[in-house]
Amino acid sequence: KAGVTQTPRYLIKTRGQQVTLSCSPISGHRSVSWYQQTPGQGLQFLFEYFSETQRNKGNFPGRFSGRQFSNSRSEMNVSTLELGDSALYLCASSLLGGDTQYFGPGTRLTVL
Amino acid sequence: AQSVTQPDIHITVSEGASLELRCNYSYGATPYLFWYVQSPGQGLQLLLKYFSGDTLVQGIKGFEAEFKRSQSSFNLRKPSVHWSDAAEYFCAVGLSGGGADGLTFGKGTHLIIQP
Repeated sequence: KAGVTQTPRYLIKTRGQQVTLSCSPISGHRSVSWYQQTPGQGLQFLFEYFSETQRNKGNFPGRFSGRQFSNSRSEMNVSTLELGDSALYLCASSLLGGDTQYFGPGTRLTVL
Repeated sequence: AQSVTQPDIHITVSEGASLELRCNYSYGATPYLFWYVQSPGQGLQLLLKYFSGDTLVQGIKGFEAEFKRSQSSFNLRKPSVHWSDAAEYFCAVGLSGGGADGLTFGKGTHLIIQP
């Protein structure tokens, strides 16, 4: 079975721009979670989607948003980028959300 | 809110030696516990997990971990490390398996293998 895939793998943007990251979960998995990883803050939970509904959200500003499609693929969007948004964004999928999460390779976002 | 502490930021071990990485959690109930490994530039790979039952769990790559409720610990062990084990190791806890509630991660332990 193919793992979690994320596109693009690398992205460079400038302050003020917006960005969309994509995540395709493992086939059959309906829950997708997003995490931000930075050297200073470590790994932090952004939000989780299940059946196209956001069920939970971490402590991030409203500039961070996401959505999930009927095929369980998910996108996250960051608007009005700030330098501090530079990070590795990781997507994880699980069958129903209350079980083990499997992570993708991540998207490395650099904001200049 | 739950929290995870990995007291060792860096650990250096000689190849062939045994390894123990520490993890302590703060949580009101019995959490679901995980160890993940991350190689440079890569995502997280699940090593093992504890949901319930036997407190000694076996994982991939020869790793095991023991859940000790009285010490709020979930330490990772390997009897003999290989150079390929050099990576960043993360302990994580979740209300369930994570999912809707998200996982809370420790800051990670960077493992260095000496030849």
